[in-house]
Amino acid sequence: DAEITQSPRHKITETGRQVTLACHQTWNHNNMFWYRQDLGHGLRLIHYSYGVQDTNKGEVSDGYSVSRSNTEDLPLTLESAASSQTSVYFCASSPVNTGELFFGEGSRLTVL
Amino acid sequence: AQSVTQLDSQVPVFEEAPVELRCNYSSSVSVYLFWYVQYPNQGLQLLLKYLSGSTLVESINGFEAEFNKSQTSFHLRKPSVHISDTAEYFCAVKGKGGKLIFGQGTELSVKP
Repeated sequence: DAEITQSPRHKITETGRQVTLACHQTWNHNNMFWYRQDLGHGLRLIHYSYGVQDTNKGEVSDGYSVSRSNTEDLPLTLESAASSQTSVYFCASSPVNTGELFFGEGSRLTVL
Repeated sequence: AQSVTQLDSQVPVFEEAPVELRCNYSSSVSVYLFWYVQYPNQGLQLLLKYLSGSTLVESINGFEAEFNKSQTSFHLRKPSVHISDTAEYFCAVKGKGGKLIFGQGTELSVKP
């Protein structure tokens, strides 16, 4: 079955370190998204991509970057982790612009 | 700009009681609306969606939501809840290009 997987599921890191969260989908969806989930804020969009070599900033993109070298993967990189980036991160994909997203299981990141 | 407001952060109910989770949106474009459910330690799953047509939409597990254009609302209802419905519920509106804009979430807690 097609799916979307995130790794690692849990990570603890230190302030200032670079961290990359992986996202891999096997649906062949063009659209991919990264959200962060924080109590009281719901889900906020970090970055998104509509296809290979396309990346766009969301509402909370500062301190994050993404790259899209193929259809299946959209890794999220924190260049220099900060305590404010402690959160649960969700990757999602969608086939067309219908808004129906398929989510991964999430990656819980703790920055000490 | 599009936005979503979920009017209740927590809704405690007893098993077999009815429940309503409230959602209001603002959008200047055609409205696509969604409810997603998140069970503990899992990703989000689509519960139901309104794209066009009948303003009353239903899910396979007994939830329903009604699109009300005049009140800009998309409230989620279930006539009789089960313990297994305990989860966080997110209302969302489709933004430009297939992005989803989420509300802050409503934690539904069903007590025996």
